[in-house]
Amino acid sequence: GAVVSQHPSWVICKSGTSVKIECRSLDFQATTMFWYRQFPKQSLMLMATSNEGSKATYEQGVEKDKFLINHASLTLSTLTVTSAHPEDSSFYICSAPPGQFMETQYFGPGTRLLVL
Amino acid sequence: AQTVTQSQPEMSVQEAETVTLSCTYDTSESNYYLFWYKQPPSRQMILVIRQEAYKQQNATENRFSVNFQKAAKSFSLKISDSQLGDTAMYFCAFITQGGSEKLVFGKGTKLTVNP
Repeated sequence: GAVVSQHPSWVICKSGTSVKIECRSLDFQATTMFWYRQFPKQSLMLMATSNEGSKATYEQGVEKDKFLINHASLTLSTLTVTSAHPEDSSFYICSAPPGQFMETQYFGPGTRLLVL
Repeated sequence: AQTVTQSQPEMSVQEAETVTLSCTYDTSESNYYLFWYKQPPSRQMILVIRQEAYKQQNATENRFSVNFQKAAKSFSLKISDSQLGDTAMYFCAFITQGGSEKLVFGKGTKLTVNP
């Protein structure tokens, strides 16, 4: 099946620094990718929809200046957590549908972020 | 509003037995897909089973089957012959066609299979 990768798988950073997380579709093109955040023992919360070649669409309550999303190619979307703080510590997951078929989504393995 | 409700935060079952996880949803759209995802301790999201809303026949995937009641907006998951590897969080979700086209997830049910 289709594969979506994320890098890094885990990261620890100091408060105030920025962290970039990559999401790649390895064997298909993805014009759209989705970024989720998941707190321990909770469900996935959609943060934003990343669209290739255009601005991301953020969900209500998500700070777009805090969570910068770039979808520069058909196989790569990046999420940058700017000026990270301990409350940004979480598990970040991306997903991508192949082409226009949103009902089929492949999930990345996730990135654990710990901000000290 | 589009919502998914999983009323069982936690469940447990003995190995080799059968367990059913409940899910109800709400949408005003007529075309949508329903899913059950499994999230084991590794936290990788794994698609367990998928159901197209326009299909009356319940989907099955080996030991996993669903009971889809469209009028009641109910979509339960039955796991037969439970295995230790089935221990995971299970999320019910749906996505509409032509609407927002975003996955809407329930809060999840933590399933533990006991030896």
